[in-house]
Amino acid sequence: EAQVTQNPRYLITVTGKKLTVTCSQNMNHEYMSWYRQDPGLGLRQIYYSMNVEVTDKGDVPEGYKVSRKEKRNFPLILESPSPNQTSLYFCASSLHRAITDTQYFGPGTRLTVL
Amino acid sequence: ELKVEQNPLFLSMQEGKNYTIYCNYSTTSDRLYWYRQDPGKSLESLFVLLSNGAVKQEGRLMASLDTKARLSTLHITAAVHDLSATYFCAVATDSNYQLIWGAGTKLIIKP
Repeated sequence: EAQVTQNPRYLITVTGKKLTVTCSQNMNHEYMSWYRQDPGLGLRQIYYSMNVEVTDKGDVPEGYKVSRKEKRNFPLILESPSPNQTSLYFCASSLHRAITDTQYFGPGTRLTVL
Repeated sequence: ELKVEQNPLFLSMQEGKNYTIYCNYSTTSDRLYWYRQDPGKSLESLFVLLSNGAVKQEGRLMASLDTKARLSTLHITAAVHDLSATYFCAVATDSNYQLIWGAGTKLIIKP
């Protein structure tokens, strides 16, 4: 089944404890992206990647890191999480390098930073 | 800077009625997307609009794009309860590497 998977789905952590949220897609998509969703703000893009080893900042990159060492994986790293990073996070992918078609979303990761 | 505004942000309506959700954006773009999100769920693609005058229809939903007016509409015909969800529009930036999202329209359809 074609899908985007994220792990973990739920995470409660404490301020300053490094964490990684994994994202994987099995559709051979070029483009991958991370978003955060907060009430009343829609989705805001954190980072995106157009291809292996090619990443760029979105609108809210502060406090996050990403890497794209393989085409299928695009992990999101929070080196020192803070409470303002409490949010619902979505990974998404699409076929081509640019956004010219549908993005497929993962199930989401709900992160709470205490 | 591209900004995307949806209205209304909340809409409660009766089954069988028609209504329209509006998505305005501030700078030139010819790529606009509509997504649906059910409570506690992920986002599902509804429509991809890639040119001025594009119109797409699926069941009771119809979306259109007017790039000159920088406006897209999502029209709901004879609403049914199953269409209750939050609807988002998203607009591609000039580079086509980013999407800027509206805040979403929460739609509640009462029997």
